[in-house]
Amino acid sequence: DGGITQSPKYLFRKEGQNVTLSCEQNLNHDAMYWYRQDPGQGLRLIYYSQIVNDFQKGDIAEGYSVSREKKESFPLTVTSAQKNPTAFYLCASSIGGNNQPQHFGDGTRLSIL
Amino acid sequence: GQNIDQPTEMTATEGAIVQINCTYQTSGFNGLFWYQQHAGEAPTFLSYNVLDGLEEKGRFSSFLSRSKGYSYLLLKELQMKDSASYLCAVSQGGFKTIFGAGTRLFVKA
Repeated sequence: DGGITQSPKYLFRKEGQNVTLSCEQNLNHDAMYWYRQDPGQGLRLIYYSQIVNDFQKGDIAEGYSVSREKKESFPLTVTSAQKNPTAFYLCASSIGGNNQPQHFGDGTRLSIL
Repeated sequence: GQNIDQPTEMTATEGAIVQINCTYQTSGFNGLFWYQQHAGEAPTFLSYNVLDGLEEKGRFSSFLSRSKGYSYLLLKELQMKDSASYLCAVSQGGFKTIFGAGTRLFVKA
């Protein structure tokens, strides 16, 4: 079955530590996205990638980094510079932009120890 | 500024009809999406409107008025499994989509 897989489901980070969230898709989609979801707020765009080897900052990119070396994979690193990383992180993909619906993974919940 | 407003919570009875409203003010508009999200799970696509009017898909319908910056999602014959958050989202063009905070719907027996 085609879909998006995020791992791990739960992740704990110590102060000063970088952590990487995995996102893999086998839908053959060109575009991939990372969102952050906080209680009472809409999904906020961290980074997006239109195509392999290209990515763009979203609205809240500070303290995060990404790579897109393969079409299937779009990992997100939460660096120690991100001072409030506790959130639910969602990865998504779409065939293109504009009017294409996004397909989401099941999310990773990141907490600070 | 850019804004999407939807009610925080709604409660409805099993078998009834519920309408979830969404108003938006965005710098670009290339269509409006509705997604369903059960707690702790992935949002799933429900509907897309880019032209004014009503789009019907089974028990779910979505309406758009671009001149009023307004949309609604209509759920008929409510079932307990419809208890979830419903996210209104506006595509701004390119690859950017703005999401509302979501409306949590509680369906009671």
